[in-house]
Amino acid sequence: DAGVTQSPTHLIKTRGQQVTLRCSPKSGHDTVSWYQQALGQGPQFIFQYYEEEERQRGNFPDRFSGHQFPNYSSELNVNALLLGDSALYLCASSLFRLAGALTDTQYFGPGTRLTVL
Amino acid sequence: RKEVEQDPGPFNVPEGATVAFNCTYSNSASQSFFWYRQDCRKEPKLLMSVYSSGNEDGRFTAQLNRASQYISLLIRDSKLSDSATYLCVVNMDKLIFGAGTRLAVHP
Repeated sequence: DAGVTQSPTHLIKTRGQQVTLRCSPKSGHDTVSWYQQALGQGPQFIFQYYEEEERQRGNFPDRFSGHQFPNYSSELNVNALLLGDSALYLCASSLFRLAGALTDTQYFGPGTRLTVL
Repeated sequence: RKEVEQDPGPFNVPEGATVAFNCTYSNSASQSFFWYRQDCRKEPKLLMSVYSSGNEDGRFTAQLNRASQYISLLIRDSKLSDSATYLCVVNMDKLIFGAGTRLAVHP
């Protein structure tokens, strides 16, 4: 049973460029959440996708956008990269519980380490 | 004020020691609570959920006090392999993480 996978593992970009990160959820999961973890900090919630729609969003600018595909995989896009976007980007998958709209336990992928020069 | 606050650490303890981590959260509407463990340059992994009745998993005990909005994690008989960063996490239909407390267990 494959866990959450992310690609690429590492990425180096320059300021102003655009980047796309990819995530495949754990088998049986239908919800994908994205987090940004800066060095020495805890992960910060970016947004969550369910049924190919953004369910909720954290305090991130519009430069951060995403998409979820019919197979539940997801992409995170960041435009006009800034030095401050350098971080570990984590994808977490879970099973959306309709009752009470609570998401189930989230399982994290290994992350994509983005460096912006 | 941060939504989830943890002891800054780092905690440096000898093997066999008992160590306690504390965490407070600001939003009383928080739905569920967790401790995650994160090894250096790895992804966070769920260590345990936290319930008001308290729960124990081997050497690990977690406790939640909703009235005080306080969460704790106790590790007994520390092992070298317990060295990691421990993240206090609150679920508000999205996970809100504390900054983490680093634990270093030495021989």
